[in-house]
Amino acid sequence: KAGVTQTPRYLIKTRGQQVTLSCSPISGHRSVSWYQQTPGQGLQFLFEYFSETQRNKGNFPGRFSGRQFSNSRSEMNVSTLELGDSALYLCASSFDNYGYTFGSGTRLTVV
Amino acid sequence: DQQVKQNSPSLSVQEGRISILNCDYTNSMFDYFLWYKKYPAEGPTFLISISSIKDKNEDGRFTVFLNKSAKHLSLHIVPSQPGDSAVYFCAATRRLNSGYALNFGKGTSLLVTP
Repeated sequence: KAGVTQTPRYLIKTRGQQVTLSCSPISGHRSVSWYQQTPGQGLQFLFEYFSETQRNKGNFPGRFSGRQFSNSRSEMNVSTLELGDSALYLCASSFDNYGYTFGSGTRLTVV
Repeated sequence: DQQVKQNSPSLSVQEGRISILNCDYTNSMFDYFLWYKKYPAEGPTFLISISSIKDKNEDGRFTVFLNKSAKHLSLHIVPSQPGDSAVYFCAATRRLNSGYALNFGKGTSLLVTP
């Protein structure tokens, strides 16, 4: 079966711009989580969506937002980009909330 | 506040020997623990997990041990193979508002030499 698909794979944006990242979960998975990976902080939880509702949110500013559609696909938006937002953004989907499958990520560079 | 800690940033082991990767956590509410393996430019790949009601789980060459009193878990790889060279992340979950969030350690880079 197809894995978790994230698009785009690479992105370069200018400080102050906004960006939208997309994640298509494994078919049948209703939970989608987003994580940010940076060299200094490691992997940090952003938020989790289940059946179009945000269930959990990590400690990130309001510039980071997301949503989930009825087909479980999810998007993540970052507004007013800062240099420190440069990171690998990972999406993970789950069926039973214990087994998480990750996508390959979107590498965002803010210049 | 880092609730999951992997204090060894790197580990080098000879092929055929045992690799032991360690992880400590501080939150006693964690009820499920996972190990992920990650290659550069790829997402983490699930390896093995353990529930807080168990103290050991095996899957082929991989065994995870959980010591709840010490808030410590370890991943044993026996025998180690060059293809095991990757970054290994320890993660723990706690139930939040009917959902789960994975708390990751910062990873241990394992190098298995021939």
